[in-house]
Amino acid sequence: GENVEQHPSTLSVQEGDSAVIKCTYSDSASNYFPWYKQELGKRPQLIIDIRSNVGEKKDQRIAVTLNKTAKHFSLHITETQPEDSAVYFCAACAGGTSYGKLTFGQGTILTVHP
Amino acid sequence: SAVISQKPSRDICQRGTSLTIQCQVDSQVTMMFWYRQQPGQSLTLIATANQGSEATYESGFVIDKFPISRPNLTFSTLTVSNMSPEDSSIYLCSVIRGINTEAFFGQGTRLTVV
Repeated sequence: GENVEQHPSTLSVQEGDSAVIKCTYSDSASNYFPWYKQELGKRPQLIIDIRSNVGEKKDQRIAVTLNKTAKHFSLHITETQPEDSAVYFCAACAGGTSYGKLTFGQGTILTVHP
Repeated sequence: SAVISQKPSRDICQRGTSLTIQCQVDSQVTMMFWYRQQPGQSLTLIATANQGSEATYESGFVIDKFPISRPNLTFSTLTVSNMSPEDSSIYLCSVIRGINTEAFFGQGTRLTVV
């Protein structure tokens, strides 16, 4: 089955700096890669996703890049703010009968210091 | 997005007992899933809740321990049976409205087994 590795496990930045979180996956059939933000005691919230037919996607301060050859995708947050502090999870999903079954990375605790 | 209501939001249960968690969605969805999030950990897929038929379980999860029902396209239940302290986790339902759409999560049920 799919295996998703996420690094780093913790990330501490100063407000205004950029943050990068990296994930690798093992199943070449995976074609959908969402990122979720989970604040303490809250549900995971989708912040951005990317499908295998594109290499990069941006939404304001957040961007995701995908390298299918290397089975690698990354989350980039620019101009970080204290409210970006949360746990971030990457995930991978294959299509077909496996659609919707998300395999999650281990999570990254992001702390943005004012 | 989807409005997902999960009940109960939290419970403290005695070992050896069972708890049934409900997941109600505001409109019909294509797919429903149940995940477990152990304390401080990532999310792990338990099973796919299939409408009108038996759920499809992931490796390491069995129907006797986690029976699931999905009587229609907006409702599912997960039962945690014969609980032990190791079952203390957050249990989350997730829904997908249609093919190639994103997954949304319920607010989770925080279960503590004593």
